Formats: sequence, C-alpha cells, structure tokens
Amino acid sequence: GAGVSQSPSNKVTEKGKDVELRCDPISGHTALYWYRQSLGQGLEFLIYFQGNSAPDKSGLPSDRFSAERTGGSVSTLTIQRTQQEDSAVYLCASSTPGRRTSGVPYEQYFGPGTRLTVT
Amino acid sequence: AQTVTQSQPEMSVQEAETVTLSCTYDTSESDYYLFWYKQPPSRQMILVIRQEAYKQQNATENRFSVNFQKAAKSFSLKISDSQLGDAAMYFCAYRRRQGGSEKLVFGKGTKLTVNP
Repeated sequence: GAGVSQSPSNKVTEKGKDVELRCDPISGHTALYWYRQSLGQGLEFLIYFQGNSAPDKSGLPSDRFSAERTGGSVSTLTIQRTQQEDSAVYLCASSTPGRRTSGVPYEQYFGPGTRLTVT
Repeated sequence: AQTVTQSQPEMSVQEAETVTLSCTYDTSESDYYLFWYKQPPSRQMILVIRQEAYKQQNATENRFSVNFQKAAKSFSLKISDSQLGDAAMYFCAYRRRQGGSEKLVFGKGTKLTVNP
C-alpha cells in the first residue's frame, strides 16, 4: 500500500515569501506529525494532529508557522515570510494508536520529506 | 528535561563485523516505546527496531538487536554482520506522551560508515 507522501520534494524560495508544504498520510492513520530536521541535527517536533482533537502546536518555532489538517487526512504546513533559518528538511509522519490488546505495535511512518531552501 | 543522548556522532565498522551504537534517554514515564530509525542519504526515515519498555526481553530483528537497560535508561543498538547498505544516520528516539499529545523525541544521530 501507499506510504506517507509529501510534496514538493524540494523547494527553493526567496526570503520573505510564503511557502506551503503538503503531507498525505497513510489511509486510516488518525495521527499526523510534522518534524523539522536542520542540517546535521536530529528531528525537532513541530505539531501533532489526532483525529478531530485540537492539535498540539507547542513545537512551532514562531507565529510564522501554521498547519492544518483537512478532513482528518491531508495536512499543510505553511511558513509565512520565510527566513534563512527556516531552511531545513520538513518531515511528516502518521500513525495508528497501536494497541497491545490487538497486537498492533506503535510506529510512526515517515514521508520522504521536503527540503526547503530559503535564499 | 526529557531528552535523548547519542554520544557517538560518527562510527565506522568493517563489512561483516559487529558495531554497537549507544543511546541514553531521560523520561519520567514508566511505560513507553523506544525506537531506532535509520536515515540513508535518500532522507527516508526507516524503522529499524522498536522496544516496549514493559517488556524485559530485548528486541531483535534479523541482524539488529538492542540492549535495553531500563533502570540505567540505556538503549543501545547492535548491528551484526554489517553490510554496505547499513551505512546511514541512525537515530534513537522515544515516544513521549503528555496531556493527550504525543511525539517522538530524537537524539542527534550517529553517522555509521561501513568499510569494505
């Protein structure tokens, strides 16, 4: 079956422009996550969506960052007035809750990421 | 602070040999998941192995195994019979759950080189 997909694969933008990054999670996955990976660093949590619950936005680095998830499926991460420090790989992941009673282990499945370069 | 520490920024191993990557973590939770992810140059994060904290038995997946020491909060990855395709960045992570939210907390990674 299809995995998590992200678009575009690469994005080059000028400082001050707005960008939108898209994530298509695995069908049926109720949870969706965005992470940012700066050069040579680990992954930094940005935002978490679970079903119809209010998202956890605690990882968004500034109010220039926002995200939405429409219809419990596709998600868009928007960065307004981009800055050079926003240059990074943005990774999306999705998961099911994972239930021991059914023997389904928990796992986050990652997309291939979007490499954002702000010039 | 709840963190993950990978003390080896880079490691190298000869093909067919064994290598161990270190990871320590800090959490106040008693029930949690631990993971090792592999990230080749393609950027795709690939799950290598997972461990549920309540299980005392160390997880194994073919050539990959872990040494999970819950009291010491240590979670090392052993790769046996290393292959050229094992060369990648390896990230240790744990699932943090708090207030109805959850996320993976990652270490900064270990770059593994496999020498032919």
